[in-house]
Amino acid sequence: GAVVSQHPSRVICKSGTSVKIECRSLDFQATTMFWYRQFPKQSLMLMATSNEGSKATYEQGVEKDKFLINHASLTLSTLTVTSAHPEDSSFYICSARGAGGKYGYGYTFGSGTRLTVV
Amino acid sequence: AQKVTQAQTEISVVEKEDVTLDCVYETRDTTYYLFWYKQPPSGELVFLIRRNSFDEQNEISGRYSWNFQKSTSSFNFTITASQVVDSAVYFCALSEANFGNEKLTFGTGTRLTIIP
Repeated sequence: GAVVSQHPSRVICKSGTSVKIECRSLDFQATTMFWYRQFPKQSLMLMATSNEGSKATYEQGVEKDKFLINHASLTLSTLTVTSAHPEDSSFYICSARGAGGKYGYGYTFGSGTRLTVV
Repeated sequence: AQKVTQAQTEISVVEKEDVTLDCVYETRDTTYYLFWYKQPPSGELVFLIRRNSFDEQNEISGRYSWNFQKSTSSFNFTITASQVVDSAVYFCALSEANFGNEKLTFGTGTRLTIIP
């Protein structure tokens, strides 16, 4: 089936530094990718939607200058947390939506990235 | 606006018991999709089922079954003969059917613990 690879799975960084998280669709083309954030014991909250070759659409309350999203190809989207602070510590998970074909238009999730800012 | 409600925050049952996880949704769309995902302690989301709004047939997959009722806007999930490996957080989700921007709205999740 469709596979989405997300790296790194865990990252610890110092406050004030930037962290980049990659989300790759390995065997299908993803026209749309979604980035979610999940605090401990809470639900997934959509941060932004990105379509290949265009600017991401951010949900209300999400700072676009802090959470930079780049979707440069049909198989790769990146989320960069700039000037990270302890309150940005969370579980970030991406989802890729297929572009049709044998994998259809379903959603496939990455395995998530646990970010800890110290 | 879309909304998904999972009223059960946590459920514990003894192994081999049946358990039903409730999901109630709200949407103005006539065409939409409903999903269930499993999130084990490792964190990844495991896809369980996708159902479109025009298909109200109940579905069974092994020990899992789903009951979709548009009249009550519910999409409940039942696990029969539960096993310890079923312990996880289960999320119900809803998406619109607008091509190109079908973002998922998740419920708050139900933490299921199966007691051996």
